[in-house]
Amino acid sequence: KNQVEQSPQSLIILEGKNCTLQCNYTVSPFSNLRWYKQDTGRGPVSLTIMTFSENTKSNGRYTATLDADTKQSSLHITASQLSDSASYICVVSASRGGADGLTFGKGTHLIIQP
Amino acid sequence: NAGVTQTPKFRVLKTGQSMTLLCAQDMNHEYMYWYRQDPGMGLRLIHYSVGEGTTAKGEVPDGYNVSRLKKQNFLLGLESAAPSQTSVYFCASTQGMFSEAFFGQGTRLTVV
Repeated sequence: KNQVEQSPQSLIILEGKNCTLQCNYTVSPFSNLRWYKQDTGRGPVSLTIMTFSENTKSNGRYTATLDADTKQSSLHITASQLSDSASYICVVSASRGGADGLTFGKGTHLIIQP
Repeated sequence: NAGVTQTPKFRVLKTGQSMTLLCAQDMNHEYMYWYRQDPGMGLRLIHYSVGEGTTAKGEVPDGYNVSRLKKQNFLLGLESAAPSQTSVYFCASTQGMFSEAFFGQGTRLTVV
């Protein structure tokens, strides 16, 4: 069964600090991996997408990495801001031909304290 | 450009009542999805559609029905609501099978 595991479940850091969120997956065959940000009471919004051949991608202060060999990804947030407080969801797509080939992680709840 | 819009945003139902959640997208996307999100769990796929007039079951389809009569709309129906269906429901759309998903703002449903 395809699975996506995220760690930690929750994280509290001070404003201005950096942090790294982890995502391990067992989705096969792999197509791509996305990180989404979900603010409280809102729908998820895509931050980055990476395919098999990509090992790093940045979006402002967000940098995602992918190691397709170990099936691990990380999302690094630099110089955190209060607006970064949200849940971060790792989503992996399986290229098996079905439109339901998205496996969602449970998310990491990040709180930025002033 | 509104993206994906869900109606209503909040609803309280009594057990056994029925209701329909509406999802509308203005991006001309082919694929549309309904998910539910519960505390401590990831988003779970209820039903999806790969085009106008088509629907398919996802991971947790029991107790729900859907229809895609128009390309821009995807309806989620609860025929006889149960407390286990208390959840936050998200609609999403994608242009292609592996494209970025755009989500609505969610519908918080409580069944008492």
